[in-house]
Amino acid sequence: QVQLQESGPGLVKPSETLSLTCYVSGYSISRAYNWGWIRQSPGKGLEWIGSMSHSGSIYYNPSLKSRVTLSLATSKNQFSLKLRAVSVADTALYYCARDFGPMPWVGAYMDVWGKGTAVTVSS
Amino acid sequence: EIVLTQSPGTLSLSPGERATLSCRASQSVSSNYLAWYQQKPGQAPRLLIYDASSRATGIPDRFSGSGSGTDFTLTISRLEPEDFAVYYCQQYGHSPRNFGQGTKLEIK
Repeated sequence: QVQLQESGPGLVKPSETLSLTCYVSGYSISRAYNWGWIRQSPGKGLEWIGSMSHSGSIYYNPSLKSRVTLSLATSKNQFSLKLRAVSVADTALYYCARDFGPMPWVGAYMDVWGKGTAVTVSS
Repeated sequence: EIVLTQSPGTLSLSPGERATLSCRASQSVSSNYLAWYQQKPGQAPRLLIYDASSRATGIPDRFSGSGSGTDFTLTISRLEPEDFAVYYCQQYGHSPRNFGQGTKLEIK
């Protein structure tokens, strides 16, 4: 059974970098699938941040692309998100998830989700 | 970017009743690549339906999806107490993928 678990600091100062990691158990991320991040806030609802394939292709939401870096650490079976220059607007619940879809360069649905980690941006 | 509009915002029904939730897209969703999720308080979204009408693994058959083009529907045939939650639609036929604002299904 595939399980995902997010980890990272719950509080980040404005203008700093938010860093989160998603640990995957029950499946080797180097085998297949895309792996991505979604966030949820009262103001913006659910928002896809970006995804990356097991082979290293990366897809970003254009609205966040300039501030986001995604990476895969296959030896640790985990993947990571870095969001630079955060502001209060980046306060949200952040989820990692597994993508599933025939055209990942266009879009995909998410069939397995982590439980989410809350991040607050505040000084 | 495609805009997904879900209606109603809140739906009040009783257990045993039939629920019909709507998701309307601002333009036709390519290949009917539309998914539905259920989210309960304190939990992550759970995939119910993909490709507009295919049930995800382990989802009871009282959940069904239909529609094409710009109009999609999630139907719950007979509501169980555990079905009261927030439901989201999501399109993945156009980049970037995005979600509707949600429909809250509450007990009447």
